[in-house]
Amino acid sequence: AQSVTQPDIHITVSEGASLELRCNYSYGATPYLFWYVQSPGQGLQLLLKYFSGDTLVQGIKGFEAEFKRSQSSFNLRKPSVHWSDAAEYFCAVGGGSYIPTFGRGTSLIVHP
Amino acid sequence: NAGVMQNPRHLVRRRGQEARLRCSPVKGHSHVYWYRQLPEEGLKFMVYLQKENIIDESGMPKERFSAEFPKEGPSILRIQQVVRGDSAAYFCASSPGTAQAPEQYFGPGTRLTVT
Repeated sequence: AQSVTQPDIHITVSEGASLELRCNYSYGATPYLFWYVQSPGQGLQLLLKYFSGDTLVQGIKGFEAEFKRSQSSFNLRKPSVHWSDAAEYFCAVGGGSYIPTFGRGTSLIVHP
Repeated sequence: NAGVMQNPRHLVRRRGQEARLRCSPVKGHSHVYWYRQLPEEGLKFMVYLQKENIIDESGMPKERFSAEFPKEGPSILRIQQVVRGDSAAYFCASSPGTAQAPEQYFGPGTRLTVT
């Protein structure tokens, strides 16, 4: 069975600082991996995805993520955080069943 | 291009009433998923449908909940005889359903409040 762990429930950073959100997954084969962002009262928006190929994936809004098979990780990064990045971030893993499994989410708080 | 549409955005029901949540997928998407989200929790998968077929309903409660995705029209998530514990945000997502593009596109959600 596939599973996702986001070990950090809350992360607080200062505006302009770098960001890394952690995601570890469990899946038997090469997974599909996703990061989504959810602003308050909104649905989820896809930030980026990994299917195969280059393990460093670029997404929207200046985010990137790196797939590390040896660590079963797919951490999300951004070099300089903006106040508008404050939101809930979800990592998800999927495979051939087309039903992804979502992590519990990490709430990002940005201090001015 | 219109994204996933959900209505209503907010729904208030008294205990024992029925709730009907509607979802129109992205045009051309044939796969629809329903999720439930409670405060401080992630998304819980409920049901996965293709046109006129339920593919996987392993996350849906056995009683009171049903879902459909007819040949024409939106997908419907129906909750009969609602209870306070049904209060949550319900999200619909759609997908083209191909191996090349299995990512999901989410609607804005319906926030159900049971009084």
